[in-house]
Amino acid sequence: QQQVKQSPQSLIVQKGGISIINCAYENTAFDYFPWYQQFPGKGPALLIAIRPDVSEKKEGRFTISFNKSAKQFSLHIMDSQPGDSATYFCAAYSNDYKLSFGAGTTVTVRA
Amino acid sequence: DAGITQSPRHKVTETGTPVTLRCHQTENHRYMYWYRQDPGHGLRLIHYSYGVKDTDKGEVSDGYSVSRSKTEDFLLTLESATSSQTSVYFCAISLGDNEQFFGPGTRLTVL
Repeated sequence: QQQVKQSPQSLIVQKGGISIINCAYENTAFDYFPWYQQFPGKGPALLIAIRPDVSEKKEGRFTISFNKSAKQFSLHIMDSQPGDSATYFCAAYSNDYKLSFGAGTTVTVRA
Repeated sequence: DAGITQSPRHKVTETGTPVTLRCHQTENHRYMYWYRQDPGHGLRLIHYSYGVKDTDKGEVSDGYSVSRSKTEDFLLTLESATSSQTSVYFCAISLGDNEQFFGPGTRLTVL
């Protein structure tokens, strides 16, 4: 049973558009929420992360929005570029040093 | 890949044979993890280690065993491989401060 639910499974966006990926969780013990980016044939790499005491975090074109009461968080990719085409995973970390991952979203940016 | 190597990178084996995958790190990180990645499931934790000879089970540990005799090496063994263990296996390391760094992965096919 997946502890972090991620949607959509895939999305296609035009260059310059906004990509939005949503995640939801139930376990209130989660206290750190990273997003990972994975290119084909590579391991996942940390992209951006947020703690539940912050409602938004922005790094360049990537923004995490966090709604603690709804137990939901999302990744927004602004001005999407072809180089952003990858699979994105949300995850949640609890104090037992383990990560729970969402199922992943494949983003395709069309030029 | 943050000083993490995995070997072999690709392996094809037959049902019922034993298989050992190796993860080697040069970072002296305390925590090491083995995940499997399958379409629609994201990354699922198999086993993890919090020190030499200290290991524990993850959510999909059945059919797998691990060993860690040195800080730098974490071995994953499939005692008798089955077709359901065909997957991409990732090793990750962590200092225990939430962030995990992933290796390049091993693609295992069990015929």
